[in-house]
Amino acid sequence: DVKVTQSSRYLVKRTGEKVFLECVQDMDHENMFWYRQDPGLGLRLIYFSYDVKMKEKGDIPEGYSVSREKKERFSLILESASTNQTSMYLCASGGEGLQPQHFGDGTRLSIL
Amino acid sequence: DQQVKQNSPSLSVQEGRISILNCDYTNSMFDYFLWYKKYPAEGPTFLISISSIKDKNEDGRFTVFLNKSAKHLSLHIVPSQPGDSAVYFCAASWSTDKLIFGTGTRLQVFP
Repeated sequence: DVKVTQSSRYLVKRTGEKVFLECVQDMDHENMFWYRQDPGLGLRLIYFSYDVKMKEKGDIPEGYSVSREKKERFSLILESASTNQTSMYLCASGGEGLQPQHFGDGTRLSIL
Repeated sequence: DQQVKQNSPSLSVQEGRISILNCDYTNSMFDYFLWYKKYPAEGPTFLISISSIKDKNEDGRFTVFLNKSAKHLSLHIVPSQPGDSAVYFCAASWSTDKLIFGTGTRLQVFP
């Protein structure tokens, strides 16, 4: 069974902290994505990566960075967490195009 | 500006009846449309898609209709089952560009 695994289901951090969200996929997909889901706003793309060490900004990249050192792993980094980054974060992977095929179960991040 | 809109945040349907979820878009360049289903505490799962060269695509109980002139697509679920209760997101893209998601519609199917 194909899998996208996010390291944490729930995370609580403080304002100003550097936060790492990890995601691993086992499908050998080229493309990986980070979205955030907020009520009334749907899913919004933060960053995506189409190959190792390659990344592209999505629609809302401000305050975030990403790292893709290995094909199977895509990390989202909040450089200095702020309360408006409290959200559900979803990682996804896909083989062709920029359409995610498989999502992880999400990380609910609270910034206090 | 929301390019993909789902104007109904929620929908309640009796088991066995038809569920119709609607989605409107503003960008006439969109040529590929998808529906995802999301259960609580899980990530979205791909449900069904349609290319702009078609006006209908069917997969079992799920049918997606596309009306390009109205910039409108809909997802029909027949018959609806309690296990269909979830949040449904429509999404659209242009060529191989990234997906734009709608805000979601929460479907509840009651016995």
